[in-house]
Amino acid sequence: GAGVSQSPSNKVTEKGKDVELRCDPISGHTALYWYRQSLGQGLEFLIYFQGNSAPDKSGLPSDRFSAERTGGSVSTLTIQRTQQEDSAVYLCASRSAGGSGELFFGEGSRLTVL
Amino acid sequence: AQSVAQPEDQVNVAEGNPLTVKCTYSVSGNPYLFWYVQYPNRGLQFLLKYITGDNLVKGSYGFEAEFNKSQTSFHLKKPSALVSDSALYFCAVRDGGDNKFYFGSGTKLNVKP
Repeated sequence: GAGVSQSPSNKVTEKGKDVELRCDPISGHTALYWYRQSLGQGLEFLIYFQGNSAPDKSGLPSDRFSAERTGGSVSTLTIQRTQQEDSAVYLCASRSAGGSGELFFGEGSRLTVL
Repeated sequence: AQSVAQPEDQVNVAEGNPLTVKCTYSVSGNPYLFWYVQYPNRGLQFLLKYITGDNLVKGSYGFEAEFNKSQTSFHLKKPSALVSDSALYFCAVRDGGDNKFYFGSGTKLNVKP
């Protein structure tokens, strides 16, 4: 596609349920990032994928959070046993490998945990 | 450690006046600097970047930014603000030897008619 695509755009779930958020990066972009943006806050780094290298998971806030990237393209962020503090907008971004490229962001997935 | 500071939570300016949104950074290596804009319920849109070369960088929608190495700053500017510029602005830095982008907390720009 022309841009980074994220789904769902909105997700309302009950506390304790698992959720999956999907990101389809720009074709050819080998680097993929997940960020979390809580209401009125800046962007919190979660995880970074680069090609076939092991992902940088240093930003994941707990072991309830995990992410994978299949075939070097689509990525799924999974949150298990959701808590109310997980409510936020989850942003995905991609960029081309190497060099000084900027990030291209999707529209985000807004998660609300009741 | 890499970090970005946006000291102003909010900037208010009248339409037609010049605007400045401040950003300072800290990196251990060579900085790659970026500005993004976020409109309500949207993702972040890239405005401009500084990698190397001329300290004054021009970007989208008439925005520009000046890299100042001695002051470790990368302030966003526009000569004449528009009401449609009202949005949330984020500064970001990436250490040239790293792959992570570090974002500031954001500055809300309000342009009043």
